[in-house]
Amino acid sequence: RKEVEQDPGPFNVPEGATVAFNCTYSNSASQSFFWYRQDCRKEPKLLMSVYSSGNEDGRFTAQLNRASQYISLLIRDSKLSDSATYLCVVPLGGTASKLTFGTGTRLQVTL
Amino acid sequence: DARVTQTPRHKVTEMGQEVTMRCQPILGHNTVFWYRQTMMQGLELLAYFRNRAPLDDSGMPKDRFSAEMPDATLATLKIQPSEPRDSAVYFCASGLRGTGELFFGEGSRLTVL
Repeated sequence: RKEVEQDPGPFNVPEGATVAFNCTYSNSASQSFFWYRQDCRKEPKLLMSVYSSGNEDGRFTAQLNRASQYISLLIRDSKLSDSATYLCVVPLGGTASKLTFGTGTRLQVTL
Repeated sequence: DARVTQTPRHKVTEMGQEVTMRCQPILGHNTVFWYRQTMMQGLELLAYFRNRAPLDDSGMPKDRFSAEMPDATLATLKIQPSEPRDSAVYFCASGLRGTGELFFGEGSRLTVL
């Protein structure tokens, strides 16, 4: 099993739709998680952090399921500008410093 | 506006040539990461440093790749000799230990012919 796995997509959704992505991880000791966003031909940027209670920021909600070892990202009322690749990040290694990225899930929001 | 600076932005070279990529992390950040991104593999961690000390370079092909931080303002990634399969975008990122927030440079797009 890969350390961090994501469905590559693409997820094609109409504007206004709700869409959710999952990311599974193999290291049960991981405590914190992150979602990054990467636009085409740009660098990744932090979108949200995910701790035990999850996190909500406007239309974006991130949740953690420790029992099943996955994190999720929910986007409500999708906008065209949400089109991007969403990468989940899991700190691995003995000191949990090894920030390991999933391969990303591509989202395309259409009119 | 603090940012991570990478050079060169683009590099085309021939197989067998040496390639050096440079990164200036954000002042005050104590962790520096090197990632490689390809369509097939996504973002692969090559090496990372904390307080300039290498912590993990297990993702890096040791026979041809080397990563160093000669000082707090400069991180380098060297490939010698380069091969076509090294063609990718190489990202440098810096952050503060424990925050999980990394600030990425714009990347160095390498093409090895």
